[in-house]
Amino acid sequence: SQQGEEDPQALSIQEGENATMNCSYKTSINNLQWYRQNSGRGLVHLILIRSNEREKHSGRLRVTLDTSKKSSSLLITASRAADTASYFCATDVRQGAQKLVFGQGTRLTINP
Amino acid sequence: EPEVTQTPSHQVTQMGQEVILRCVPISNHLYFYWYRQILGQKVEFLVSFYNNEISEKSEIFDDQFSVERPDGSNFTLKIRSTKLEDSAMYFCASSREIPYNSPLHFGNGTRLTVT
Repeated sequence: SQQGEEDPQALSIQEGENATMNCSYKTSINNLQWYRQNSGRGLVHLILIRSNEREKHSGRLRVTLDTSKKSSSLLITASRAADTASYFCATDVRQGAQKLVFGQGTRLTINP
Repeated sequence: EPEVTQTPSHQVTQMGQEVILRCVPISNHLYFYWYRQILGQKVEFLVSFYNNEISEKSEIFDDQFSVERPDGSNFTLKIRSTKLEDSAMYFCASSREIPYNSPLHFGNGTRLTVT
């Protein structure tokens, strides 16, 4: 398996519902980041959670991090049609790494 | 808000030709990157660049690829002899600090089509 793996690969929900996406990783990390990508566009940073943090909020986004399980989750509450996008987690892979490694992504579709 | 800009948005080239993809990172950022994304697949790291030299590169970034920051503002990716499998979206990104400590800011990409 790869460093960052999101689950599920695709998620379709009704507007107003909550969406939860999960990310698992293999190595020790410093921080974990979540990004959003609208179709055909660049990635947009959503939130960064440090390895010594367990939960972080930003607006309708809630991110958790469990370093013992090497996993993170992204919760979007009260989803909107505009939240339709792909969501990626990204991590460093070792101390001093000069890159982020992205997972496969979760394709989220919000149905009106 | 400052943003990363990439040109062109779409480049079509014939196999074996050289292409140069251009990027203008955010001005006070110190770390620069190229990623690529083959249609429908994951975003793959190509190379990172700091202090005017390559700091890390992936297995994809072979001798056919090179990067340059020629004038302190532009950041370019050159593919010397394109192959069909180089067809992908190429994203430039920059960050103020080392990547695990700082968000990456991405451009909207250049779609490269090799025929």
